[in-house]
Amino acid sequence: DAGVIQSPRHEVTEMGQEVTLRCKPISGHNSLFWYRQTMMRGLELLIYFNNNVPIDDSGMPEDRFSAKMPNASFSTLKIQPSEPRDSAVYFCASSPGPHGYTFGSGTRLTVV
Amino acid sequence: AQTVTQSQPEMSVQEAETVTLSCTYDTSESDYYLFWYKQPPSRQMILVIRQEAYKQQNATENRFSVNFQKAAKSFSLKISDSQLGDAAMYFCAYRSAVAGNQFYFGTGTSLTVIP
Repeated sequence: DAGVIQSPRHEVTEMGQEVTLRCKPISGHNSLFWYRQTMMRGLELLIYFNNNVPIDDSGMPEDRFSAKMPNASFSTLKIQPSEPRDSAVYFCASSPGPHGYTFGSGTRLTVV
Repeated sequence: AQTVTQSQPEMSVQEAETVTLSCTYDTSESDYYLFWYKQPPSRQMILVIRQEAYKQQNATENRFSVNFQKAAKSFSLKISDSQLGDAAMYFCAYRSAVAGNQFYFGTGTSLTVIP
């Protein structure tokens, strides 16, 4: 089991550019979550999917953020256009049920 | 929404000693799960221990154990025989058993282990 795989591990981009973060959940896990972690706000849930369907996107900060899960093995989080305040670590996590999440290693995004 | 509070931003412990990290939560639900996650400098989030609210017995995992006080809505983590590798941020988390799948995380406690 390779765990939850996120890519890239680090991303540095210029303000205004489009950024796409990728996540491959653990096979068989039917729930997928995107979190953002910053020093100021801690861990914030952005959106989560059950069986590839978005269930709650109320944490998505604004329309610049979008997430998709076209199939059970892949999800993306896109920021367009990116801004310096989007700089954070973005985590993807998957879960087979009510027990603990398995987190990916995170993507550290820096927008300059 | 449920809230999870970790009132100790930083803690330190001498190697081989015992330390307890505090966590309280607020919920009106009776069925839920509680977790402690560890985040070392590598930033990987690692599940340390899990407690089901319907179980009265406190969960243990090797050197890690919890003190779950349901009435008081308290869920503390005890680390025995602390090791240098225990140094990390520790997050307490709540998950409903009946409503949604999302976790609610506390703000974390940074644990330093002194050699």
